[in-house]
Amino acid sequence: DGGITQSPKYLFRKEGQNVTLSCEQNLNHDAMYWYRQDPGQGLRLIYYSQIVNDFQKGDIAEGYSVSREKKESFPLTVTSAQKNPTAFYLCASKKKGYPAGELFFGEGSRLTVL
Amino acid sequence: ILNVEQSPQSLHVQEGDSTNFTCSFPSSNFYALHWYRWETAKSPEALFVMTLNGDEKKKGRISATLNTKEGYSYLYIKGSQPEDSATYLCAPYETSGSRLTFGEGTQLTVNP
Repeated sequence: DGGITQSPKYLFRKEGQNVTLSCEQNLNHDAMYWYRQDPGQGLRLIYYSQIVNDFQKGDIAEGYSVSREKKESFPLTVTSAQKNPTAFYLCASKKKGYPAGELFFGEGSRLTVL
Repeated sequence: ILNVEQSPQSLHVQEGDSTNFTCSFPSSNFYALHWYRWETAKSPEALFVMTLNGDEKKKGRISATLNTKEGYSYLYIKGSQPEDSATYLCAPYETSGSRLTFGEGTQLTVNP
């Protein structure tokens, strides 16, 4: 079955540590996105990528980094510079250049900083 | 940052009630309007994607309309059921930037 896989599902981190959240898709989608959700808030865009080796900052990119070396993979690194990293992170993908195409989401990763 | 507003923030209805929510967005740079349903412990799933002014889409008891000139969309649920309980998110797709910006969502609870 095609889909998006995020791992880990739950992650605990000490302050000052970098962590990387994995996102893999086998839908052959060019575009991939990372969103963050905080309690009582909607999904806020962190980074997105329309094609391999290219990505753009979203609305809340500070303290995060990404890479897009393969079409299938779009890992997100939460660095120690991110002041409030505890949140729920969702990865999504869609066909590039097709605005009417829907987003497909992973099941999310919940990061807690201790 | 694109300003996307959804109202109400939360809604409690009784089983069998019909209800509707609103999504408002800037009408400039608009290309498409997405609606998603997000049930607890699941991933968000697409309900509708609409592009044309006056567009109306329907899936079972759920329907949506779109007004691109004034920048709003309505989502209607007829005869709500407990399984409709979820957060409903809207997101306009901008022509510039190729990105979707989500509203904060409407959290619907349908009481049996």
